[in-house]
Amino acid sequence: EVKLVESGGGLVQPGRSLKLSCAASGFSFNDYWMGWVRQAPGKGLEWIGEINQDSSTINYTPSLKDKFTISRDNAQNTLYLQMSKLGSEDTAIYYCARAGAFTTAFDYWGQGVMVTVSS
Amino acid sequence: DVQMTQSPYNLAASPGESVSINCKASKSISKYLAWYQQKPGKANKLLIYDGSTLQSGIPSRFSGSGSGTDFTLTIRSLEPEDFGLYYCQQHNEYPPTFGGGTKLELK
Repeated sequence: EVKLVESGGGLVQPGRSLKLSCAASGFSFNDYWMGWVRQAPGKGLEWIGEINQDSSTINYTPSLKDKFTISRDNAQNTLYLQMSKLGSEDTAIYYCARAGAFTTAFDYWGQGVMVTVSS
Repeated sequence: DVQMTQSPYNLAASPGESVSINCKASKSISKYLAWYQQKPGKANKLLIYDGSTLQSGIPSRFSGSGSGTDFTLTIRSLEPEDFGLYYCQQHNEYPPTFGGGTKLELK
């Protein structure tokens, strides 16, 4: 069974940094592109970015490229999202997701982790 | 970025009915559209990708159609578990973008 479990969320002050993790299991992690999507309270989904199998290609949505960094550790089956210079606009549920074998759409998602940016 | 516009915003229906949700792209995205279902307390679920390809494990009452700029998700013979939020997403060019969502509610 494919499982994606996010962790590392919580309350963080404006301007600070936070690193999210996503533990993957139930599939061969190093065979898949992985990505992050977020959802602000009461709003729709926003694609953050994705990383390929060997970390040689990382794509970001342009507006977040300078604040967020995606990485992965294939030995630990873990995906990361490093977030810096956080503002209230970054308050959201952050989802880890796996891209499909035959599509760039995300075929499995985690349940998400809440990040609240507030003083 | 490609803008994705979903309609309707809200949709009320009864079990057994059929419904359609529309998604319009601001420019051609070929066939590269995905549909997702979102329900409280559950992981988001991929229903359809490439416009009309049914994701493995998804019931055949879900179907997708369209190409270019106009797409439709159709759910035939609604089951109680089908009520929730639905999002379209273009996966033709970067960055992938989502529609604003359609809430399918029980009438």
